[in-house]
Amino acid sequence: QVQLKESGPGLVQPSETLSLTCTVSGFSLTSYGVNWVRQPPGKGLEWMGTIWNDGSTDYNSALKSRLSISRDTSKSQVFLKMNSLQTEDTAIYLCARERPAGSGWYFDFWGPGTMVTVSS
Amino acid sequence: DIQMTQSPASLSASLGETVTIECRASEDIYNGLAWYQQKPGKSPQLLIYNANSLHTGVPSRFSGSGSGTQYSLKINSLQSEDVASYFCQQYYDYPTFGGGTKLELK
Repeated sequence: QVQLKESGPGLVQPSETLSLTCTVSGFSLTSYGVNWVRQPPGKGLEWMGTIWNDGSTDYNSALKSRLSISRDTSKSQVFLKMNSLQTEDTAIYLCARERPAGSGWYFDFWGPGTMVTVSS
Repeated sequence: DIQMTQSPASLSASLGETVTIECRASEDIYNGLAWYQQKPGKSPQLLIYNANSLHTGVPSRFSGSGSGTQYSLKINSLQSEDVASYFCQQYYDYPTFGGGTKLELK
């Protein structure tokens, strides 16, 4: 069955770089894109970016200057790197599989999420 | 960016009641709308896509409707397991989400 699971450090120092991994199973990264979405504690969801099945990427314009998404198809892993972290980047970070629809896409399977706290 | 305004922010209802949650887009999103359910401590689960299509395995008491800029999620005959937060997401443009509706039992 389709599964996604995020992993990474729970605590990051301000101004440092966040590195997260999403490991997927039950589907191929060359057939489906994978997105990163984050959710500050008790708040709503923010789409961060996607890596498409062809390896190209799209980013939220608000995060584009700090964000990079890449993948290793042989390991079924998608990576997120975001630099210059601040306290407002404290959130649960989730990866989700995309389903194309019309001009856009929605998310049909999600990982459980990983909590990242930015603090010294 | 397309802004999604979701209402109400919170809602209290009784078992067996019918509940409706609304989402308004800042421009026409041509039915590019999904609804998700998120239970406490869990990740979101897809309920509805294309404004009114039920995702596989979702109970038929959930339904979606709307067009243009106005969309709604209806839950018929509320069950205890429906206690959760609900989010809408537009995908006519880059994805953006509504602020969420927290549904509790009265």
